[in-house]
Amino acid sequence: AQKITQTQPGMFVQEKEAVTLDCTYDTSDQSYGLFWYKQPSSGEMIFLIYQGSYDEQNATEGRYSLNFQKARKSANLVISASQLGDSAMYFCAMREGGYQAGTALIFGKGTTLSVSS
Amino acid sequence: SAVISQKPSRDICQRGTSLTIQCQVDSQVTMMFWYRQQPGQSLTLIATANQGSEATYESGFVIDKFPISRPNLTFSTLTVSNMSPEDSSIYLCSVALRREDYEQYFGPGTRLTVT
Repeated sequence: AQKITQTQPGMFVQEKEAVTLDCTYDTSDQSYGLFWYKQPSSGEMIFLIYQGSYDEQNATEGRYSLNFQKARKSANLVISASQLGDSAMYFCAMREGGYQAGTALIFGKGTTLSVSS
Repeated sequence: SAVISQKPSRDICQRGTSLTIQCQVDSQVTMMFWYRQQPGQSLTLIATANQGSEATYESGFVIDKFPISRPNLTFSTLTVSNMSPEDSSIYLCSVALRREDYEQYFGPGTRLTVT
């Protein structure tokens, strides 16, 4: 079974609009971390935002926020006021066992976001 | 944060040959990982590079095909052996600075094409 599921292969949004990228996860660990990365066409992996399983508040980083619903095992990324430069592939990822476990991230299949003017 | 460099940045190789990819980090890191990203696909973990001991490979990846070395806390190599066109991918080195650091950093990747 997939550990990280991203059901949207592609999303389209107009500039200045908000967009939500979906991510659900599957783990039996009580301690885990959830991540979102952006990969533009250049190929680099850019860290966007992190949410720990014990964090009670949703994480926010500038225009990015993570809508964490623990009971539903979802960790959706919300991008407010989209910009043309947001066009990229977005990956949801999870580290099981919490950050102290030192285990590697497991990635979802990704969502391609296209922002138009 | 960590600055990660990889060499080569890209290469075109003939089938049956081997390529060694180097990963250099500007600081000592606890955990170092190698990922593969096939065209249009997500990142798949190949192995965890352990300093001073054999790498820990994920299911579907074997040491004979992807030998890994990690002689110290700032450097690792991944060799893609006896290459076939199916090995054409981006290979990414990734590090975690210390076990308390939640962020995982990625190198720029090595784009490999096998003909």
